[in-house]
Amino acid sequence: QQQVKQSPQSLIVQKGGISIINCAYENTAFDYFPWYQQFPGKGPALLIAIRPDVSEKKEGRFTISFNKSAKQFSLHIMDSQPGDSATYFCAAVQETSGSRLTFGEGTQLTVNP
Amino acid sequence: NAGVTQTPKFRVLKTGQSMTLLCAQDMNHEYMYWYRQDPGMGLRLIHYSVGEGTTAKGEVPDGYNVSRLKKQNFLLGLESAAPSQTSVYFCASSYRTASPYGYTFGSGTRLTVV
Repeated sequence: QQQVKQSPQSLIVQKGGISIINCAYENTAFDYFPWYQQFPGKGPALLIAIRPDVSEKKEGRFTISFNKSAKQFSLHIMDSQPGDSATYFCAAVQETSGSRLTFGEGTQLTVNP
Repeated sequence: NAGVTQTPKFRVLKTGQSMTLLCAQDMNHEYMYWYRQDPGMGLRLIHYSVGEGTTAKGEVPDGYNVSRLKKQNFLLGLESAAPSQTSVYFCASSYRTASPYGYTFGSGTRLTVV
């Protein structure tokens, strides 16, 4: 049972375009929502994160949009670059009951030059 | 360099063989985790530990055992490997909360069971 659903599975974007990855969750007790970026042959690394009391968080070209009522959140990558080509995972955790992250299925992003 | 180190990086096992994957962290993190990554399934938690001498089951614990005898090390064992355990295994560590620093992951162990 996947508690965090992620789409699309793969995404191809032209350089300079906007990449959008969506996630939905079931457990309303989740209180922290990070995104991880993974390059081939490497482990995932924290990219950006948000708490449910905030509707949007921006760090450089990366923005998380959060819709608490719909139980959905998304990652937007503005001005996508070939160096952004990687696998992206959304995740969720209920910090009051430990730090076990539940991950989405992952999205393989390819940014063409 | 500070971080999480996994050994070995690659391994091929025959069905029924056993092996141990080693994870070591030098960041004095309390919590440690073992995940497996399979195409289209994301990362799934196998076992985790919230401190030295403690272990707990995650989402997919069957066929695996773990031990955390020292704070900096977390071992994952496969007693009798099966082809279904072919996967990439990641170890991670964290402070007591996932925020704000997140998990630090190792670079993974690619295991093939034939």
